[in-house]
Amino acid sequence: DSGVTQTPKHLITATGQRVTLRCSPRSGDLSVYWYQQSLDQGLQFLIQYYNGEERAKGNILERFSAQQFPDLHSELNLSSLELGDSALYFCASSALSGYGEQFFGPGTRLTVL
Amino acid sequence: GESVGLHLPTLSVQEGDNSIINCAYSNSASDYFIWYKQESGKGPQFIIDIRSNMDKRQGQRVTVLLNKTVKHLSLQIAATQPGDSAVYFCAETSTSYDKVIFGPGTSLSVIP
Repeated sequence: DSGVTQTPKHLITATGQRVTLRCSPRSGDLSVYWYQQSLDQGLQFLIQYYNGEERAKGNILERFSAQQFPDLHSELNLSSLELGDSALYFCASSALSGYGEQFFGPGTRLTVL
Repeated sequence: GESVGLHLPTLSVQEGDNSIINCAYSNSASDYFIWYKQESGKGPQFIIDIRSNMDKRQGQRVTVLLNKTVKHLSLQIAATQPGDSAVYFCAETSTSYDKVIFGPGTSLSVIP
């Protein structure tokens, strides 16, 4: 158990819908990272927050957004969902920004029908 | 995209043998590298890291080698065990661009 929690574990929705994925980092970790893992694109970095502020952006679509709240939990919002958005979404946390071990949560499996 | 997952290289080794997993990283400005292990149905798990001012770093049964000249990273696992069966990812990052770039992954299968 990494100490990072993600909810929900599974999510099934329809095209055009909007969903919110939630992540609680390890106690004391200030950085939260979001990743998307799909069969054809591998593991892709989406976005990072550090202590409430956006720190780095990766391959995140404009339909996706994220935020980190004062209690350090983070949410990833996915809107106007397409079939190709079906993937595993992982959250990771670390004490620092950039360097150091990232602890990954168990992931949320999103299926868009 | 920066991480291509179309073809997952596979490596099969006999239990007890040493394993070497290779990774070509993409950006010469990267100065921090990490190896992750991902077991089926789980999130990636940190194995070992190395900074660009080092060529080699050792952990428990694992060694990471970095060759900056050819932008190559390798992970050596000594006395491979069935529990080592997983997909292994290398990742690179830098304070100059912050985002993390993952390699496509290598699937390691240990034959008992």
